[in-house]
Amino acid sequence: DAGITQSPRYKITETGRQVTLMCHQTWSHSYMFWYRQDLGHGLRLIYYSAAADITDKGEVPDGYVVSRSKTENFPLTLESATRSQTSVYFCASSDGPYYEQYFGPGTRLTVT
Amino acid sequence: KNEVEQSPQNLTAQEGEFITINCSYSVGISALHWLQQHPGGGIVSLFMLSSGKKKHGRLIATINIQEKHSSLHITASHPRDSAVYICAALQLNYGGSQGNLIFGKGTKLSVKP
Repeated sequence: DAGITQSPRYKITETGRQVTLMCHQTWSHSYMFWYRQDLGHGLRLIYYSAAADITDKGEVPDGYVVSRSKTENFPLTLESATRSQTSVYFCASSDGPYYEQYFGPGTRLTVT
Repeated sequence: KNEVEQSPQNLTAQEGEFITINCSYSVGISALHWLQQHPGGGIVSLFMLSSGKKKHGRLIATINIQEKHSSLHITASHPRDSAVYICAALQLNYGGSQGNLIFGKGTKLSVKP
C-alpha cells in the first residue's frame, strides 16, 4: 500500500535488549524523521535523514542509532533499551526540509 | 520557557461553536505547521503556512510573523473534530541543518453533541 508504515505497532521489551523499529515510505521522499511523543513533552525529534546514507541528530538522540541504506526505509535502533525510552515513536517523511511532513501510525514501545 | 506555546491546553465546546486555538513561538521560523492527532494516535498534517491565512473546509489557519503568533479556527464545530491539535514551528537554520520542527504540547479539543 502507498504511504508510510511503521512496524511493529506495539512492542514490549526488557531493559538492556536491542530493539529496532521499522519505517517504510512509498513516496520516494528524500527526508525522513523519527520522533518520540511523551506526556508533558509533546513530540521531539530523535534523528532525521536528508537522503540515503545521510543522517543527523535531533533534539534527543542519545541511546538511539539510525541508518538509511535505501531511500524508502529508515530504521531506528535502541541498542540497549532503558525504561526512559518507553514512549510512542512516530516516523515521518517529506519532500524536503520546508515541506509538509507525513506521519506514520506510530509504534508504542514499552520497556520493562 | 517552551519555544512553542499553545493555549488553551484543554477545550470543551458544544457542537456548532466557533473554536480558536492559539500558538505562540519564540524562535525564528520558516513555516508553521498545524497537525491533528486523533484519539487513536494517528497524526495528520492540516496546514503548513509561512504568511497570511489558509482555509480548508471548516478549518482556517492564520499566522502573524511579526507577532510570532498563529491561530487555528474551526467553524461550526462537530464532535468528529474532537482531537488533539498540535502546532509545530519549523525552525530556521537549526544548527546548520534543516527541517527541525519544534512542537507545542497540543490542545485537546472535545466537542459535545
